[in-house]
Order: sequence, then structure tokens, then C-alpha cells
Amino acid sequence: DGGITQSPKYLFRKEGQNVTLSCEQNLNHDAMYWYRQDPGQGLRLIYYSQIVNDFQKGDIAEGYSVSREKKESFPLTVTSAQKNPTAFYLCASTYETAGANVLTFGAGSRLTVL
Amino acid sequence: GQNIDQPTEMTATEGAIVQINCTYQTSGFNGLFWYQQHAGEAPTFLSYNVLDGLEEKGRFSSFLSRSKGYSYLLLKELQMKDSASYLCAVRPTNAGKSTFGDGTTLTVKP
Repeated sequence: DGGITQSPKYLFRKEGQNVTLSCEQNLNHDAMYWYRQDPGQGLRLIYYSQIVNDFQKGDIAEGYSVSREKKESFPLTVTSAQKNPTAFYLCASTYETAGANVLTFGAGSRLTVL
Repeated sequence: GQNIDQPTEMTATEGAIVQINCTYQTSGFNGLFWYQQHAGEAPTFLSYNVLDGLEEKGRFSSFLSRSKGYSYLLLKELQMKDSASYLCAVRPTNAGKSTFGDGTTLTVKP
């Protein structure tokens, strides 16, 4: 089955550590996105990539980094510079239907900083 | 900038109809999306509007008025499984990235 796989599902980190969240898709989608969600809030865009070897900052990129070396993969690194990293992280890609670029999401990774 | 407003919470009874409103102010407009998100899970796509009017898809319908910066999601014949958060998202340009509202948490009671 085609889809987006995120790992790990749950992750605990000590303050000062960098962590990398994995996102892999086998949908052959060009564009991929990372969103952050805090309790009771909507999704905020961290980074997005519309093509391999190219990516742009979203609304809250500070303290995060990404790479897009392969079409299938878009890992997110949460660095120690991110002041409040505890959140639910969602990776997504877009497909087009009836003129709409619809987001399809992975199951998410929940990061907790101890 | 972008500003999207939705009610924080709504409650409705099983079998009833509920309307979830979304108002937006964006620097451009190229489509409005509704997503459903159950607690602890990823959002899933429900509907898309780019032209004014009503889009119907089974028990769910979505309406758009571009001149008013307004949309609603209408859920009919509510079921317990419809208890979820409903996210309104606007795509300002054709660039693909959407801005989300904070979501409306709907609780369906027996």
C-alpha cells in the first residue's frame, strides 16, 4: 500500500540533544512538508520541499533543519536551538485532485523533551 | 498575513445536523480545505472548495463564499465516530502550502 511512514512514533529527548524524525513516502509525490501541532492548536508549517535538493522555510523554521536528497525521503532534525520542541510532528505530501493540492499525512511523531 | 478563525468547541447530538464555520483573511486565495482529525491521529482530507457554492459528499457538505471570506462544513446524520477536530485550511496562492486554523473540536453525544 502507498503511504507516508514516519518514525519513531514516540520519542523522548533530553534537553540539549538533537533528534531526527524520519519521513518516507512511496506515493511518488514531488512536494513534502513538515508541520508541528501543539495541544488545541492547528498545524504550523516548519519546512517544505517542492523538489529534490530544494527546500524552503515555513512559518516556524527556527531550531529545525531538513534535507531532501531523495524524492522519497524528507527527514526533520530538531536541534538543541529549538526552545520548546515538545509537540506532535506531522509529515505530509501533496497530490492533485480536481485542481486541488491535497495533503496526505503520515501517522505523526510525538516528541517529548524531558 | 493569514488569519483563519473557527469556533474552538461544539457539541451536538447523534443523528442531528451541525455546521462548523470558518472565516479567513488571506493575502491571496487559491482554495479552502477541510480536514478531519481524530484525537492522537493524523488529519485526513474531507473537502475542497475553490469556487463559490456548495460541494456535497455524502453526509458532509462544504460551502464557500469568497467575497465574504467564509466557509462552513455541514455534517448531517451525526454519528458518534464524527467526534473529532475539524481543521479549516486556506491555500493563499498556487504554491501549494496551506495555512491552518486552530480547529474545531466536535463532540457528538448520544
